[in-house]
Amino acid sequence: ETGVTQSPTHLIKTRGQQVTLRCSSQSGHNTVSWYQQALGQGPQFIFQYYREEENGRGNFPPRFSGLQFPNYSSELNVNALELDDSALYLCASSLGLQGNYGYTFGSGTRLTVV
Amino acid sequence: QKEVEQNSGPLSVPEGAIASLNCTYSDRGSQSFFWYRQYSGKSPELIMSIYSNGDKEDGRFTAQLNKASQYVSLLIRDSQPSDSATYLCAVSTSGTYKYIFGTGTRLKVLA
Repeated sequence: ETGVTQSPTHLIKTRGQQVTLRCSSQSGHNTVSWYQQALGQGPQFIFQYYREEENGRGNFPPRFSGLQFPNYSSELNVNALELDDSALYLCASSLGLQGNYGYTFGSGTRLTVV
Repeated sequence: QKEVEQNSGPLSVPEGAIASLNCTYSDRGSQSFFWYRQYSGKSPELIMSIYSNGDKEDGRFTAQLNKASQYVSLLIRDSQPSDSATYLCAVSTSGTYKYIFGTGTRLKVLA
């Protein structure tokens, strides 16, 4: 059984650019959640995808968007990058909607916006 | 008031001692509680979950939950230098998928 994998591991972008981060969910999991962790902070919920539909969203602007594919992998897209978008982006997969059993995160993508 | 609060530390303990990490939360509807360990530059790793009042033990780790007082704690017995990391408390409300994380407590175990 493979875990959650994320790509790329590191990324440097310029302010105003667009970025796409990718996540492959753990085998058998149909739900993907994305979190942003700024330096020195705890992770913050961005959104969750279930069966290719956005199921819930945190306090992030519309320039943060996502997709989930039929194989349950997911993308996080961020448009018009700002310096404050620099963070570790974490993906977690689960079976079903409820996160009662604890999410397992992927290794993350560290995004630096310059 | 923050939804999930933790002392940022650092909490320094000698090797072999008990490390006690605390977390308070504001939402009385919270039902699921988690402790994550995060090494510098790495992603958080789930180490404990607890759902009902009382203690839950797993190896050297014990999670304690008191819903009336709205706090959850993590005890690490026989602390090792390899336990040096940031410990994140996460809380979720029943039936929801969204975890609220604290800012984490940095633990240093001194050899």
